[in-house]
Amino acid sequence: AQSVAQPEDQVNVAEGNPLTVKCTYSVSGNPYLFWYVQYPNRGLQFLLKYITGDNLVKGSYGFEAEFNKSQTSFHLKKPSALVSDSALYFCAVRSVNAGNNRKLIWGLGTSLAVNP
Amino acid sequence: SAVISQKPSRDICQRGTSLTIQCQVDSQVTMMFWYRQQPGQSLTLIATANQGSEATYESGFVIDKFPISRPNLTFSTLTVSNMSPEDSSIYLCSVEDGQGSFLMNTEAFFGQGTRLTVV
Repeated sequence: AQSVAQPEDQVNVAEGNPLTVKCTYSVSGNPYLFWYVQYPNRGLQFLLKYITGDNLVKGSYGFEAEFNKSQTSFHLKKPSALVSDSALYFCAVRSVNAGNNRKLIWGLGTSLAVNP
Repeated sequence: SAVISQKPSRDICQRGTSLTIQCQVDSQVTMMFWYRQQPGQSLTLIATANQGSEATYESGFVIDKFPISRPNLTFSTLTVSNMSPEDSSIYLCSVEDGQGSFLMNTEAFFGQGTRLTVV
């Protein structure tokens, strides 16, 4: 069965430092991987996705993610964190079940706090 | 990207009553979904809203409790029926677009959510 794990409930980083939010996945077949961000009292916003091709995917707000097939990981990164990056981050993987119903499987989320 | 209007944005309801949440999209979309999210926690899929037919519910969710309508490709409603305090949560509308094989790699877009408190 498809699954997503975000091993860290919270990540703290100083402003200006690089940040990494971790995600590992388990899928049968080709992985379709997504990152979303949720700012306080807001809906989710799409950041980036991996479908195929280059392992390094660039997305919104200066974020990027590296797909690593051997480690089944899709970690979110940013070279220099901003205080405004403080939010809840979700990793998701596309799933199709036996009934051909497609849906996103969501990680539990990682709360990122960027300290000034 | 699709623009999604969800309303109400928040409501406080008495137990035993029902609330209908509306989701309006500014363009026709293939798929519409309804999620539930406790503040600060992950998303739980309630159902897929199917245009012109009954919604497809996830395990643990039933039509009598969460009736869903989707009369066209731009609009859906979720009703939370006979509410109890356990139904207090954030309810999110989500849409995805694309055809055929592109359905797998299409990103989802979300409304701003409805924060429901049942007292």
